[in-house]
Amino acid sequence: QSALTQPASVSGSPGQSITISCTGTSSDIGNSNSVSWYQQHPGKAPKLIIYDVSDRPSGLSDRFSGSKSGTTASLTISGLQAEDEAHYYCSSFTSHSTLGVIFGGGTKLTVL
Amino acid sequence: QVQLQESGPGLVKPSETLSLTCTVSGDSVSRGSYYWSWIRQPPGKGLEWIGYVYYSGITNYNPSLKSRVTISIDTSKNEVSLKLSSLTTADTAVYYCARAFMVRGLPKWFDPWGQGTLVTVSS
Repeated sequence: QSALTQPASVSGSPGQSITISCTGTSSDIGNSNSVSWYQQHPGKAPKLIIYDVSDRPSGLSDRFSGSKSGTTASLTISGLQAEDEAHYYCSSFTSHSTLGVIFGGGTKLTVL
Repeated sequence: QVQLQESGPGLVKPSETLSLTCTVSGDSVSRGSYYWSWIRQPPGKGLEWIGYVYYSGITNYNPSLKSRVTISIDTSKNEVSLKLSSLTTADTAVYYCARAFMVRGLPKWFDPWGQGTLVTVSS
């Protein structure tokens, strides 16, 4: 099972908004609401920021939002802040093969 | 507050078997709402799902690793274990355990994650 496709990097200035895409297939994103997003700072474990395509864990800033259209999911971060600089990974349930989980290759967000 | 802590050797030799343990506190691995999972991340690379176990012992593995992986659960110790055999240098990675929320048998999202443990495969 191939990884979901994410851009290697995106950048934005403080206060701006950015969107990270995550493209899959009809076996995963296209046929699943089990899409989640994770933020990972250097040397730290990934942290859940979006689940079920667009839901936020309790206490997480509403600057983070998620959506999905067809086989592509998206993460939008509005009002960029310096602490948002990190790697972001998408994930989806996949019905291909063993009904497991697949991750995207990750996107490095740089806050200019 | 749920916490997961991985433990095991930091260095293993090629062809050997890696054994890691994930100790769970603040929750019971016997609860039926979760899959207990292993995920790894080679240095400088992305995340790779290894597999998960349910409290009943049911498992599911990444097809690319299935022939070499065993994940088990010990409800008496509140622990989850990972064994990965026939190691090569390509298995060098940070290994994370994570709790996967499950709905109608499907894994939904991973939260929380352990801090991870770096395993280096080298002679």
